[in-house]
Amino acid sequence: DAGVIQSPRHEVTEMGQEVTLRCKPISGHDYLFWYRQTMMRGLELLIYFNNNVPIDDSGMPEDRFSAKMPNASFSTLKIQPSEPRDSAVYFCASSPNSDTQYFGPGTRLTVL
Amino acid sequence: GNSVTQMEGPVTLSEEAFLTINCTYTATGYPSLFWYVQYPGEGLQLLLKATKADDKGSNKGFEATYRKETTSFHLEKGSVQVSDSAVYFCALNDYKLSFGAGTTVTVRA
Repeated sequence: DAGVIQSPRHEVTEMGQEVTLRCKPISGHDYLFWYRQTMMRGLELLIYFNNNVPIDDSGMPEDRFSAKMPNASFSTLKIQPSEPRDSAVYFCASSPNSDTQYFGPGTRLTVL
Repeated sequence: GNSVTQMEGPVTLSEEAFLTINCTYTATGYPSLFWYVQYPGEGLQLLLKATKADDKGSNKGFEATYRKETTSFHLEKGSVQVSDSAVYFCALNDYKLSFGAGTTVTVRA
């Protein structure tokens, strides 16, 4: 049984470029979460969806960040334009009931 | 709002030593409590959970008891191994997960 799948695993880009991170949740899970992890700020919840609908995006740092979930098996987190301070590991997690969450392996983003 | 405070690291131990990582929480309701573990280069994995007061979660030799009176959920393991070296996160779930800052544990052979 495949877990949460994220792509790419590593992304290096230059400041000002658009970055798109992708996530495939575990089949049957109704909740999807996007997190960012940095040394300075730890693990931060950016946004979460329930049944493909964004429920809480209060953690999205600014308008440069956007997230979509067009269907139950796919979500994207986009940063446009990217900045060096966006460098972090971005995790996607899914859950069948908003209680226990299952994390993907993460995407390590480096913005030069 | 809800928050979690966990023991700062890093923690360095020898194999077979006893491990305790303290975790206390602040919550308005009665949230579920979790310990997640993150091995180097990987995502977080659920280690154990407890959903109500006095519940004990356990897995892989780790244990934690939900203590409502002290608002705590301390993680313990009686005899650690090198493979237990990781970052451990305490978390609570009211309607979304709130994580502690993480505690880095290194076990030396």
